[in-house]
Amino acid sequence: GQQLNQSPQSMFIQEGEDVSMNCTSSSIFNTWLWYKQDPGEGPVLLIALYKAGELTSNGRLTAQFGITRKDSFLNISASIPSDVGIYFCAGGLKTSYDKVIFGPGTSLSVIP
Amino acid sequence: KAGVTQTPRYLIKTRGQQVTLSCSPISGHRSVSWYQQTPGQGLQFLFEYFSETQRNKGNFPGRFSGRQFSNSRSEMNVSTLELGDSALYLCASSLAREGAAGYTFGSGTRLTVV
Repeated sequence: GQQLNQSPQSMFIQEGEDVSMNCTSSSIFNTWLWYKQDPGEGPVLLIALYKAGELTSNGRLTAQFGITRKDSFLNISASIPSDVGIYFCAGGLKTSYDKVIFGPGTSLSVIP
Repeated sequence: KAGVTQTPRYLIKTRGQQVTLSCSPISGHRSVSWYQQTPGQGLQFLFEYFSETQRNKGNFPGRFSGRQFSNSRSEMNVSTLELGDSALYLCASSLAREGAAGYTFGSGTRLTVV
């Protein structure tokens, strides 16, 4: 079945550094979503991508829908301590219902 | 507007018992999805309800069941609890037409089975 891989699994960076993470799959998706989960809370949607090649920004966050529709990238510029959390990618499929597959997550730690 | 409310936040149960978790979606949202989150397996889809009907189901044993009421509130039930059922159970609601991009998650119920 469909499965998503996220890399890196975890990362430790200095405050102010830029961050890059990606999500890959052997399957094609219609939608790519990026969520962030703070400790003790549910995931919150950061960016939604709907078309192959689409590049979308949300403040310091930029995400891209890969041309092959099998991958997506998330970049965070000038990281700050509140960026700490787990970042999940999710691939969406349009069938008779909306099927969503979540990746295993990338854990981000920011060192002040 | 009020967010997705899950109750209780924390629960400790004994192996073999059953448990019921509750989710109140955002007002106007008719779709409710449930996920199990564990450190090793990530977010695993349990089921989705829309207008009181189960529309989609993940790969979980029959011990996991759910339902949705006419006011869109949803409950999930786990019978004959096993140690491996210990997890954070998340509920997400959305307007049907927004699909997954419109998911709003609750804070979850942390279930510990001892």
